[in-house]
Amino acid sequence: GAVVSQHPSWVICKSGTSVKIECRSLDFQATTMFWYRQFPKQSLMLMATSNEGSKATYEQGVEKDKFLINHASLTLSTLTVTSAHPEDSSFYICSARRGQDVEQYFGPGTRLTVT
Amino acid sequence: AQSVTQPDIHITVSEGASLELRCNYSYGATPYLFWYVQSPGQGLQLLLKYFSGDTLVQGIKGFEAEFKRSQSSFNLRKPSVHWSDAAEYFCAVAAYNDMRFGAGTRLTVKP
Repeated sequence: GAVVSQHPSWVICKSGTSVKIECRSLDFQATTMFWYRQFPKQSLMLMATSNEGSKATYEQGVEKDKFLINHASLTLSTLTVTSAHPEDSSFYICSARRGQDVEQYFGPGTRLTVT
Repeated sequence: AQSVTQPDIHITVSEGASLELRCNYSYGATPYLFWYVQSPGQGLQLLLKYFSGDTLVQGIKGFEAEFKRSQSSFNLRKPSVHWSDAAEYFCAVAAYNDMRFGAGTRLTVKP
């Protein structure tokens, strides 16, 4: 149990366009979902935390107008990168927390390349 | 806020040799500790975790880790490394709604 999926697994988009990444908890209800960003050969950096039906809480330095997060249901969160630029190219990983668990369950990641 | 330090950026070991990856954490309360492995272009795979109880934790793929409160450490060990263990390893400490990762240790396995 506790499986998290992401879609797409990789995406290429042109500079200036927007791209949406979905994160789904497949076999549990996720009270909280998290979005991380990972640059090559670096660690995961938390971008934002979202609770179902509430506005996301963004980490310092993360542009909330650029990285739109919607947590519309207990099994789905989406990250939309608006007006993407090459510097937004990265590996985006979501995770989900179940009930009162401290543990987060991670998705397989989405590779975004902006050309 | 909690934090994690992985002092070794890169470690090279010979296949069949033992392995220890270091992890030190900073957290005011009892920490929830994790080790993950990540292969290139892949997501994270949980190797093991410590919440409470026995301080020696067994994980998948023959890995184990020992929680030492006095040293604020949670080092990962494996008695005999296989070539397939080459990957990036991340230590993490979590509180409610907050997980922090170390910088990672890249493991290279020599034949």
